[in-house]
Amino acid sequence: AQSVTQLGSHVSVSEGALVLLRCNYSSSVPPYLFWYVQYPNQGLQLLLKYTSAATLVKGINGFEAEFKKSETSFHLTKPSAHMSDAAEYFCAVIKATGGGNKLTFGTGTQLKVEL
Amino acid sequence: NAGVTQTPKFQVLKTGQSMTLQCAQDMNHEYMSWYRQDPGMGLRLIHYSVGAGITDQGEVPNGYNVSRSTTEDFPLRLLSAAPSQTSVYFCASRPGQSLETQYFGPGTRLLVL
Repeated sequence: AQSVTQLGSHVSVSEGALVLLRCNYSSSVPPYLFWYVQYPNQGLQLLLKYTSAATLVKGINGFEAEFKKSETSFHLTKPSAHMSDAAEYFCAVIKATGGGNKLTFGTGTQLKVEL
Repeated sequence: NAGVTQTPKFQVLKTGQSMTLQCAQDMNHEYMSWYRQDPGMGLRLIHYSVGAGITDQGEVPNGYNVSRSTTEDFPLRLLSAAPSQTSVYFCASRPGQSLETQYFGPGTRLLVL
């Protein structure tokens, strides 16, 4: 069964500092992994997705994630945090089933950006 | 395109009341789904549909019903609301069963007293 674990429910960084949000997956087959962002009082937006092409995936707003099979990880990074990055971030994995490919989410990481 | 729309944005119910959360999409997407979001638990799948006339249960289906009579609409029904159903509900859609991006609506905040 495929699932994801997000380490750290809250992460705080200074503006301009590196952002690192951690996600580990458990999967018996090569997974398809996603990062979504949720700004306050809004729905979720796709940041980036890994679908077994390049291991380093670039997304919107300067975010990127690297798929590391040896570490079963798909951590999200951004070199320099901006105040507008404050949001909740969700890692997700496609869970293939007979009736449809279901998106299963981690518990989320709240990112706070401080001056 | 309006994308995925949800109504109402906010609703207060009393225990035992019933209501329907509306979801519509104008992108001709086959796949639609409902999630609930609770603090510390991420999003959990309630029900999903792979096309008109076809629905199936997700991770937390108890207390909820769905139907898919058209491609555009996917309403979620609470038959007898309970305080445990207080949550934020998100509808989502994507073109098919593959790996395309899933689009989310803005959410409905439900409070059951």
